[in-house]
Amino acid sequence: EAGVAQSPRYKIIEKRQSVAFWCNPISGHATLYWYQQILGQGPKLLIQFQNNGVVDDSQLPKDRFSAERLKGVDSTLKIQPAKLEDSAVYLCASSLKYGPYEQYFGPGTRLTVT
Amino acid sequence: KQEVTQIPAALSVPEGENLVLNCSFTDSAIYNLQWFRQDPGKGLTSLLLIQSSQREQTSGRLNASLDKSSGRSTLYIAASQPGDSATYLCAVMTQGAQKLVFGQGTRLTINP
Repeated sequence: EAGVAQSPRYKIIEKRQSVAFWCNPISGHATLYWYQQILGQGPKLLIQFQNNGVVDDSQLPKDRFSAERLKGVDSTLKIQPAKLEDSAVYLCASSLKYGPYEQYFGPGTRLTVT
Repeated sequence: KQEVTQIPAALSVPEGENLVLNCSFTDSAIYNLQWFRQDPGKGLTSLLLIQSSQREQTSGRLNASLDKSSGRSTLYIAASQPGDSATYLCAVMTQGAQKLVFGQGTRLTINP
C-alpha cells in the first residue's frame, strides 16, 4: 500500500512570495490533515478535511494561508504572501475516516523563507 | 485547552541501556494516545497507539503505558540501539475537537 505522498520535499522562497504544497493521501482515506511543524516543536494542525469539506480550520491563518481538496482526493496548501515565521516543515496526513482513527503521515515539505 | 508536555527535551544514553520517555497531558478527556518517531528530515512514523480504555501496548522492544486519570504516558525502550536515535513525539486525540495535539518531542541519541 502506497503511503502519503507530498511534493516538493524542499522549497526556498523570499518573503512576500507565494508557494504551494501538494499532498496525495493513502487511497481510500476520507480524512486529510495539514500540519505545520516549526523547528523544535511538535506539529500543529492547520486544517482538516473530510472528503472535500473542511471540518476544522480554526488554526489556519486565513489572511495568508488557503487550502483545498478538490474531488476529495489530492490537496493543495498555499501561502501568499509568505513571512519569515512561515519557515517550517509542512506535514500532510490522512486517516480512513473522521474521528479517533490512526493518522498516517507523509515525508513533509521543508519551507525556508528568506 | 489540551496541552501536552514531554520531558526531557533531549536524552543521550549509551547503547544497551533501557530508557523511559515521559509524556503528560492536561485534559483526560481523550480517545487515544499515540507515540511517533521522527527521523531528521523525515515525516512521522507511528510506533504505538493506546486507546483510552487500555493501560499499555507493546511492539517489540517498545512498551507504552497510559494512566489517563493522572494524565501521563511513558514509552519504555528496552536494550537501546544506535538505530533508535530519533525524536520521539507523543500526541493525544482529544474528545470533542477530535484532533491530535502533540508534545514538543524528546530528541534521543544512543551512543555506540
